[in-house]
Amino acid sequence: RKEVEQDPGPFNVPEGATVAFNCTYSNSASQSFFWYRQDCRKEPKLLMSVYSSGNEDGRFTAQLNRASQYISLLIRDSKLSDSATYLCVVNGNTDKLIFGTGTRLQVFP
Amino acid sequence: DVKVTQSSRYLVKRTGEKVFLECVQDMDHENMFWYRQDPGLGLRLIYFSYDVKMKEKGDIPEGYSVSREKKERFSLILESASTNQTSMYLCASSWGGRAEQYFGPGTRLTVT
Repeated sequence: RKEVEQDPGPFNVPEGATVAFNCTYSNSASQSFFWYRQDCRKEPKLLMSVYSSGNEDGRFTAQLNRASQYISLLIRDSKLSDSATYLCVVNGNTDKLIFGTGTRLQVFP
Repeated sequence: DVKVTQSSRYLVKRTGEKVFLECVQDMDHENMFWYRQDPGLGLRLIYFSYDVKMKEKGDIPEGYSVSREKKERFSLILESASTNQTSMYLCASSWGGRAEQYFGPGTRLTVT
């Protein structure tokens, strides 16, 4: 079993739609959780951290379910510029991070 | 704003050549990391460093070495490049005790 698993997609959604991605992780001792965004042929960029209480940043909402060991990202009112690959990231030992292989989102007009 | 820079965006080398990839960060981060990213495999950790002159093996260190002589600079060395090392190489850095990492723009290396 992979340490971090994501549906690769692609998720094809129209502008204005709401879309959600899930990610599961295997290490129950993980303490830090993130979503990164990666545009085609560019580096990953930190989108948001994921806290136990959940957190929201504009149109983006992240949730953590420790009991079921999954993380979710909800994007409301999708924009064309949201088209990218979204990486689920969990900490491993100490400051090391484990990256999922990403979920591709394509928003169409 | 965190800035991580890498010496080259694109590099083409021949099999057997020694290759140096340089990474510099300007945020006084303690931790630095080298990854490679391949389609379908995601990011895989090659080496990392928590301090000057310190290095730790990641998940796929074979065929690579690193050097960290100054806090802001972390070099990845391919001792004898091979075609299976054709990949996107990404450098990242983070503050000590903080998990979130910040990435450089990447170097797309092709070994022919």
